[in-house]
Amino acid sequence: QVQLQESGPGLVKPSETLSLTCTVSGGSTSSYYWSWIRQPPGKGLEWIGYIYYSGSTNYNPSLRSRVTISVDTSKNQFSLKLSSVTAADTAVYYCARVDWTLYSNYTEDIYYYYMDVWGKGTTVTVSS
Amino acid sequence: DIQMTQSPSSLSASVGDRVTITCRASQSISSYLNWYQHKPGKAPNLLIYAASSLQSGVPSRFSGSGSGTDFTLTISSLQPEDFATYYCQQSYGTPHMYTFGQGTKLEIK
Repeated sequence: QVQLQESGPGLVKPSETLSLTCTVSGGSTSSYYWSWIRQPPGKGLEWIGYIYYSGSTNYNPSLRSRVTISVDTSKNQFSLKLSSVTAADTAVYYCARVDWTLYSNYTEDIYYYYMDVWGKGTTVTVSS
Repeated sequence: DIQMTQSPSSLSASVGDRVTITCRASQSISSYLNWYQHKPGKAPNLLIYAASSLQSGVPSRFSGSGSGTDFTLTISSLQPEDFATYYCQQSYGTPHMYTFGQGTKLEIK
Protein backbone atom coordinates (compact mmCIF):
# COMPACT_ATOMS: atom_id res chain seq x y z
CA GLN A 1 0.00 0.00 0.00
CA VAL A 2 1.46 3.30 -1.13
CA GLN A 3 1.97 5.93 1.55
CA LEU A 4 3.19 9.51 1.29
CA GLN A 5 4.83 11.57 4.02
CA GLU A 6 5.60 15.28 3.86
CA SER A 7 8.62 16.71 5.71
CA GLY A 8 10.32 20.05 6.08
CA PRO A 9 10.58 23.16 8.26
CA GLY A 10 7.39 24.24 9.99
CA LEU A 11 8.47 27.87 10.14
CA VAL A 12 9.83 29.97 7.29
CA LYS A 13 10.75 33.65 7.34
CA PRO A 14 9.14 36.11 4.91
CA SER A 15 11.03 36.52 1.61
CA GLU A 16 12.80 33.16 2.09
CA THR A 17 12.22 29.89 0.23
CA LEU A 18 9.88 27.21 1.54
CA SER A 19 11.24 23.70 0.91
CA LEU A 20 9.29 20.49 1.46
CA THR A 21 9.93 16.85 0.58
CA CYS A 22 7.44 14.05 0.06
CA THR A 23 8.72 10.52 0.65
CA VAL A 24 6.90 7.69 -1.09
CA SER A 25 6.83 4.27 0.58
CA GLY A 26 5.25 1.05 -0.64
CA GLY A 27 5.58 2.20 -4.23
CA SER A 28 7.88 3.92 -6.69
CA THR A 29 8.15 7.46 -8.01
CA SER A 30 9.32 5.96 -11.31
CA SER A 31 5.79 6.18 -12.65
CA TYR A 32 2.73 8.34 -12.10
CA TYR A 33 2.45 12.09 -11.66
CA TRP A 34 3.18 13.57 -8.24
CA SER A 35 1.44 16.69 -6.97
CA TRP A 36 1.47 19.36 -4.27
CA ILE A 37 -1.67 20.97 -2.85
CA ARG A 38 -2.11 23.42 0.02
CA GLN A 39 -4.87 24.66 2.31
CA PRO A 40 -4.50 28.08 3.99
CA PRO A 41 -6.14 28.42 7.40
CA GLY A 42 -9.91 28.62 7.07
CA LYS A 43 -9.80 28.28 3.29
CA GLY A 44 -10.18 25.58 0.68
CA LEU A 45 -7.73 23.42 -1.24
CA GLU A 46 -5.40 25.01 -3.80
CA TRP A 47 -3.47 23.00 -6.38
CA ILE A 48 0.20 24.06 -6.58
CA GLY A 49 1.58 21.84 -9.34
CA TYR A 50 2.71 18.39 -10.36
CA ILE A 51 5.67 16.55 -11.83
CA TYR A 52 5.75 13.45 -14.01
CA TYR A 53 8.35 10.85 -13.08
CA SER A 54 10.24 11.78 -16.24
CA GLY A 55 10.65 15.32 -14.92
CA SER A 56 8.03 17.28 -16.87
CA THR A 57 6.09 19.74 -14.74
CA ASN A 58 2.95 21.82 -14.72
CA TYR A 59 2.18 24.58 -12.24
CA ASN A 60 -0.76 26.68 -11.08
CA PRO A 61 -0.47 29.89 -13.13
CA SER A 62 -0.95 32.00 -9.99
CA LEU A 63 2.18 30.46 -8.41
CA ARG A 64 4.23 29.58 -11.48
CA SER A 65 6.83 32.31 -11.07
CA ARG A 66 7.73 31.12 -7.55
CA VAL A 67 7.33 27.32 -7.70
CA THR A 68 9.73 24.52 -8.54
CA ILE A 69 8.84 20.83 -8.18
CA SER A 70 11.48 18.17 -8.66
CA VAL A 71 11.68 14.39 -8.34
CA ASP A 72 14.48 12.12 -7.15
CA THR A 73 13.54 8.61 -8.21
CA SER A 74 16.66 7.14 -6.58
CA LYS A 75 15.40 8.30 -3.19
CA ASN A 76 11.72 7.78 -4.00
CA GLN A 77 11.05 11.43 -3.16
CA PHE A 78 9.71 14.53 -4.79
CA SER A 79 10.11 18.09 -3.55
CA LEU A 80 8.52 21.53 -3.54
CA LYS A 81 10.30 24.86 -3.45
CA LEU A 82 8.30 28.08 -3.13
CA SER A 83 10.35 31.26 -3.21
CA SER A 84 9.76 34.75 -1.81
CA VAL A 85 7.15 33.57 0.66
CA THR A 86 4.78 35.86 2.53
CA ALA A 87 2.22 35.31 5.25
CA ALA A 88 -0.26 34.37 2.51
CA ASP A 89 1.76 31.18 1.94
CA THR A 90 1.00 29.95 5.46
CA ALA A 91 -0.91 26.70 4.96
CA VAL A 92 -1.09 22.97 5.41
CA TYR A 93 0.84 21.50 2.49
CA TYR A 94 -0.14 18.10 1.08
CA CYS A 95 1.59 15.84 -1.40
CA ALA A 96 -0.43 13.44 -3.51
CA ARG A 97 -0.10 10.79 -6.22
CA VAL A 98 -1.90 11.44 -9.49
CA ASP A 99 -3.27 8.34 -11.14
CA TRP A 100 -5.32 8.06 -14.29
CA THR A 101 -7.89 5.93 -16.03
CA LEU A 102 -7.73 5.52 -19.79
CA TYR A 103 -10.89 5.39 -21.84
CA SER A 104 -10.38 4.40 -25.47
CA ASN A 105 -12.83 4.48 -28.32
CA TYR A 106 -12.26 4.17 -32.04
CA THR A 107 -11.26 7.80 -32.46
CA GLU A 108 -9.40 8.90 -29.35
CA ASP A 109 -7.82 8.03 -26.02
CA ILE A 110 -9.17 9.94 -23.03
CA TYR A 111 -7.19 10.15 -19.79
CA TYR A 112 -9.04 10.96 -16.59
CA TYR A 113 -6.61 12.16 -13.90
CA TYR A 114 -7.27 12.18 -10.17
CA MET A 115 -5.32 12.37 -6.89
CA ASP A 116 -5.85 9.00 -5.25
CA VAL A 117 -3.21 8.81 -2.49
CA TRP A 118 -2.45 11.75 -0.21
CA GLY A 119 -0.02 12.49 2.57
CA LYS A 120 -1.35 13.62 5.94
CA GLY A 121 -0.11 17.15 5.39
CA THR A 122 2.42 19.39 7.09
CA THR A 123 1.81 22.86 8.49
CA VAL A 124 4.07 25.65 7.31
CA THR A 125 3.90 29.06 8.94
CA VAL A 126 5.51 32.10 7.36
CA SER A 127 6.54 34.52 10.09
CA SER A 128 9.58 36.44 11.26
CA ASP B 1 -8.49 29.60 -16.18
CA ILE B 2 -11.40 27.31 -15.32
CA GLN B 3 -13.32 28.31 -12.20
CA MET B 4 -15.27 25.78 -10.15
CA THR B 5 -18.24 26.92 -8.06
CA GLN B 6 -19.88 24.67 -5.48
CA SER B 7 -23.27 25.09 -3.90
CA PRO B 8 -24.23 25.29 -1.20
CA SER B 9 -21.16 26.44 0.74
CA SER B 10 -22.54 24.78 3.85
CA LEU B 11 -25.33 22.35 4.52
CA SER B 12 -26.99 20.97 7.66
CA ALA B 13 -28.51 17.50 7.46
CA SER B 14 -29.45 14.53 9.61
CA VAL B 15 -28.30 10.93 9.64
CA GLY B 16 -30.29 9.06 7.01
CA ASP B 17 -30.94 12.12 4.83
CA ARG B 18 -30.30 12.18 1.10
CA VAL B 19 -27.89 15.00 0.27
CA THR B 20 -26.90 16.57 -3.04
CA ILE B 21 -23.98 18.93 -3.62
CA THR B 22 -23.60 20.80 -6.90
CA CYS B 23 -20.46 21.87 -8.74
CA ARG B 24 -20.46 24.14 -11.78
CA ALA B 25 -17.52 24.77 -14.13
CA SER B 26 -16.96 28.11 -15.88
CA GLN B 27 -16.60 26.25 -19.19
CA SER B 28 -17.28 22.75 -20.42
CA ILE B 29 -14.95 20.17 -18.87
CA SER B 30 -16.62 17.05 -20.31
CA SER B 31 -16.35 14.47 -17.51
CA TYR B 32 -13.00 15.61 -16.09
CA LEU B 33 -14.41 16.05 -12.61
CA ASN B 34 -13.44 14.47 -9.30
CA TRP B 35 -14.92 14.63 -5.80
CA TYR B 36 -13.04 14.47 -2.48
CA GLN B 37 -14.06 14.22 1.16
CA HIS B 38 -11.91 16.11 3.68
CA LYS B 39 -12.07 15.85 7.45
CA PRO B 40 -10.12 18.19 9.79
CA GLY B 41 -6.59 17.01 10.43
CA LYS B 42 -6.84 14.22 7.85
CA ALA B 43 -5.76 13.75 4.25
CA PRO B 44 -8.44 14.36 1.62
CA ASN B 45 -10.05 11.17 0.34
CA LEU B 46 -10.95 10.55 -3.31
CA LEU B 47 -14.60 9.54 -3.65
CA ILE B 48 -15.51 9.88 -7.34
CA TYR B 49 -13.38 10.30 -10.47
CA ALA B 50 -14.35 10.96 -14.09
CA ALA B 51 -17.62 12.48 -12.82
CA SER B 52 -19.34 9.21 -11.99
CA SER B 53 -16.81 6.43 -11.30
CA LEU B 54 -16.71 5.27 -7.68
CA GLN B 55 -13.20 4.98 -6.27
CA SER B 56 -12.34 1.54 -4.92
CA GLY B 57 -13.28 1.14 -1.26
CA VAL B 58 -15.74 4.04 -1.21
CA PRO B 59 -19.26 3.13 0.01
CA SER B 60 -21.93 2.83 -2.65
CA ARG B 61 -24.09 5.49 -0.98
CA PHE B 62 -21.82 8.02 -2.71
CA SER B 63 -22.54 8.70 -6.37
CA GLY B 64 -21.63 11.33 -8.93
CA SER B 65 -23.28 12.53 -12.10
CA GLY B 66 -23.06 15.22 -14.74
CA SER B 67 -20.96 16.31 -17.68
CA GLY B 68 -20.11 19.54 -19.43
CA THR B 69 -20.48 22.28 -16.83
CA ASP B 70 -22.87 20.89 -14.21
CA PHE B 71 -22.11 18.07 -11.79
CA THR B 72 -23.59 16.62 -8.62
CA LEU B 73 -22.39 14.51 -5.73
CA THR B 74 -25.15 12.59 -3.97
CA ILE B 75 -25.03 10.79 -0.64
CA SER B 76 -28.06 8.52 -0.58
CA SER B 77 -28.32 8.01 3.19
CA LEU B 78 -26.06 10.08 5.40
CA GLN B 79 -23.98 8.23 7.96
CA PRO B 80 -22.30 9.83 10.99
CA GLU B 81 -18.86 9.47 9.38
CA ASP B 82 -19.97 11.48 6.33
CA PHE B 83 -19.94 14.84 8.07
CA ALA B 84 -17.00 16.57 6.44
CA THR B 85 -16.11 19.11 3.77
CA TYR B 86 -16.53 18.05 0.14
CA TYR B 87 -14.56 19.43 -2.79
CA CYS B 88 -14.98 19.07 -6.52
CA GLN B 89 -11.86 19.31 -8.70
CA GLN B 90 -11.47 19.56 -12.46
CA SER B 91 -8.62 18.00 -14.46
CA TYR B 92 -9.35 19.33 -17.92
CA GLY B 93 -6.86 20.35 -20.58
CA THR B 94 -3.62 19.38 -22.24
CA PRO B 95 -1.52 19.44 -20.21
CA HIS B 96 -4.08 18.70 -17.52
CA MET B 97 -4.61 21.55 -15.07
CA TYR B 98 -6.41 21.34 -11.77
CA THR B 99 -8.82 23.64 -9.95
CA PHE B 100 -10.79 22.92 -6.80
CA GLY B 101 -14.19 24.23 -5.89
CA GLN B 102 -14.38 26.29 -2.71
CA GLY B 103 -15.80 23.37 -0.73
CA THR B 104 -19.13 22.42 0.85
CA LYS B 105 -19.17 21.88 4.60
CA LEU B 106 -21.68 19.22 5.60
CA GLU B 107 -22.74 19.56 9.22
CA ILE B 108 -25.01 17.67 11.56
CA LYS B 109 -28.45 19.18 12.03
